[in-house]
Amino acid sequence: QKEVEQNSGPLSVPEGAIASLNCTYSDRGSQSFFWYRQYSGKSPELIMSIYSNGDKEDGRFTAQLNKASQYVSLLIRDSQPSDSATYLCAVTPGKSTFGDGTTLTVKP
Amino acid sequence: GAVVSQHPSWVICKSGTSVKIECRSLDFQATTMFWYRQFPKQSLMLMATSNEGSKATYEQGVEKDKFLINHASLTLSTLTVTSAHPEDSSFYICSARDRGLNSPLHFGNGTRLTVT
Repeated sequence: QKEVEQNSGPLSVPEGAIASLNCTYSDRGSQSFFWYRQYSGKSPELIMSIYSNGDKEDGRFTAQLNKASQYVSLLIRDSQPSDSATYLCAVTPGKSTFGDGTTLTVKP
Repeated sequence: GAVVSQHPSWVICKSGTSVKIECRSLDFQATTMFWYRQFPKQSLMLMATSNEGSKATYEQGVEKDKFLINHASLTLSTLTVTSAHPEDSSFYICSARDRGLNSPLHFGNGTRLTVT
């Protein structure tokens, strides 16, 4: 069973729209949840961390965690072309592995 | 904080030679570092877990004699690709956690290896 599963992409949204990326995880004991962004040809960078149920907002980004349903989501408001990237979710403790992620394209 | 530095950022080598990639945690100590490989348009693949002062743990299918990992200190891990071949050409990325098992991974900028 995979540690995390992300909604299959690619995801395309128009500029200014809300992009919604979802991730489900298999281990009910997971404690920390992270979203990374990876631009093409670059290494991943951490963009959001969330540790407790509810929402966490950082600028245009909102991470939502629902431990009962074992999912974590990332909302990007007012999407910009510069948000076009692959988004990876990860949980801990875990194997430090990543799935395919969700590739987001924001069209001007 | 939590900066991981990786060098070189790119390297070109001839087939049959060896290449060493360094990964340093600049402002924290990392007892464990992770090495990944990524081919174009593919996902990150964990190659091995580097443990300070002990042998690395390799993922299934990764040749430990070909990809030598040394984690000699709490701030430095090295990956040596031995007897490189064109199929080893890839993007190699290291990462580390700065505050224990439940902290996020911080990634180096990656090394693009081209074997001619």
